Amino acid sequence: DVKVTQSSRYLVKRTGEKVFLECVQDMDHENMFWYRQDPGLGLRLIYFSYDVKMKEKGDIPEGYSVSREKKERFSLILESASTNQTSMYLCASSVTGTWGSNNSPLHFGNGTRLTVT
Amino acid sequence: KNEVEQSPQNLTAQEGEFITINCSYSVGISALHWLQQHPGGGIVSLFMLSSGKKKHGRLIATINIQEKHSSLHITASHPRDSAVYICAVSLDSNYQLIWGAGTKLIIKP
Repeated sequence: DVKVTQSSRYLVKRTGEKVFLECVQDMDHENMFWYRQDPGLGLRLIYFSYDVKMKEKGDIPEGYSVSREKKERFSLILESASTNQTSMYLCASSVTGTWGSNNSPLHFGNGTRLTVT
Repeated sequence: KNEVEQSPQNLTAQEGEFITINCSYSVGISALHWLQQHPGGGIVSLFMLSSGKKKHGRLIATINIQEKHSSLHITASHPRDSAVYICAVSLDSNYQLIWGAGTKLIIKP
């Protein structure tokens, strides 16, 4: 079974701190994604990566950056955490589907619930 | 109007009932995903389909491409099926998914 591991289940940080959220997958997947999930808003894509060192902005990239130095690891960085970044953060991975589209199953980590005070 | 709409938003049923959750979309897709999220956060992919019907245990997913509609059915529902069920669609030649808002299902014993 594919395993997607997020480094922390719960995290509490102070406003202005630099925050690193780590995600590792063990199935050699090309695609990796970072989402945030908020009540009433569903899942929103922050950034995704389709290959090592490649990254693309999602719907809400402001205030975030990412790093993918190795295929198995995709890191989300909050350069200066703010209270409006309090949320559940979900990492996912998938293989590249036909014609480069994302028509292959997504595998999610268990999520990191981040609170910024 | 959202490009992916799910109905109902909330559903409460008794154990044993047959459950149907619907998903309609308005864009051209390469695949449709059904996912399940239990309280506590973890999301599990249930089905990915681009035509016809798939079955896994008590879960059945169908899709009608012409009508741009998919249904997720649960037979002989059980309290452990209580979760949020999410529909998402993959666009052609695009890495992004468009997500439905989710259906919160509660099965009472």
